[in-house]
Amino acid sequence: AQSVTQLGSHVSVSEGALVLLRCNYSSSVPPYLFWYVQYPNQGLQLLLKYTSAATLVKGINGFEAEFKKSETSFHLTKPSAHMSDAAEYFCAVSLPGSSGTYKYIFGTGTRLKVLA
Amino acid sequence: GAGVSQTPSNKVTEKGKYVELRCDPISGHTALYWYRQSLGQGPEFLIYFQGTGAADDSGLPNDRFFAVRPEGSVSTLKIQRTERGDSAVYLCASSLLGESDTQYFGPGTRLTVL
Repeated sequence: AQSVTQLGSHVSVSEGALVLLRCNYSSSVPPYLFWYVQYPNQGLQLLLKYTSAATLVKGINGFEAEFKKSETSFHLTKPSAHMSDAAEYFCAVSLPGSSGTYKYIFGTGTRLKVLA
Repeated sequence: GAGVSQTPSNKVTEKGKYVELRCDPISGHTALYWYRQSLGQGPEFLIYFQGTGAADDSGLPNDRFFAVRPEGSVSTLKIQRTERGDSAVYLCASSLLGESDTQYFGPGTRLTVL
């Protein structure tokens, strides 16, 4: 079955420290992969996406992610955490569904807490 | 430009009642998606429209749930005989073409069934 696994439902880092949010996927076909961020009481906002071009993808707010096919991973990183990065982060895979359509499958999310 | 909008932002209803949730996608986006997000979970796919037709409704949990998009723009998610388990945030997203295109999400409608 196609799926997305996010390890760690809660991650805490100190301000200025490295952020690493893990995402592993399961797919029988080359996937399209996405990271979204959700701030409290807001909709999901796209951080970055992988669509089979460069394996290292740079997104907004200093985030980046690397697609590693051998590890079926798409981990999200940021060199230096800022207080404003505190939010919930979702990894998603876009997979072909019925009738040639595509749909997203989301992970369960990782809530990032940034400590002063 | 304007993003995806959803109304109402909050809806409280009683068990057994009928509710309608509205989504207004980004102008020109042909693909529209509905998701349901329960507490502590990621969004769960419900239904996908390409134009006016439901291209994939495999995520609708049962026949109490129905969605329409009669003119290929605004969509309405309809829930009949609501149950307490239907309480969740219902998210709408739109994209330009579908496939691997980025989906842009609305702020959601928080549905509470008492």
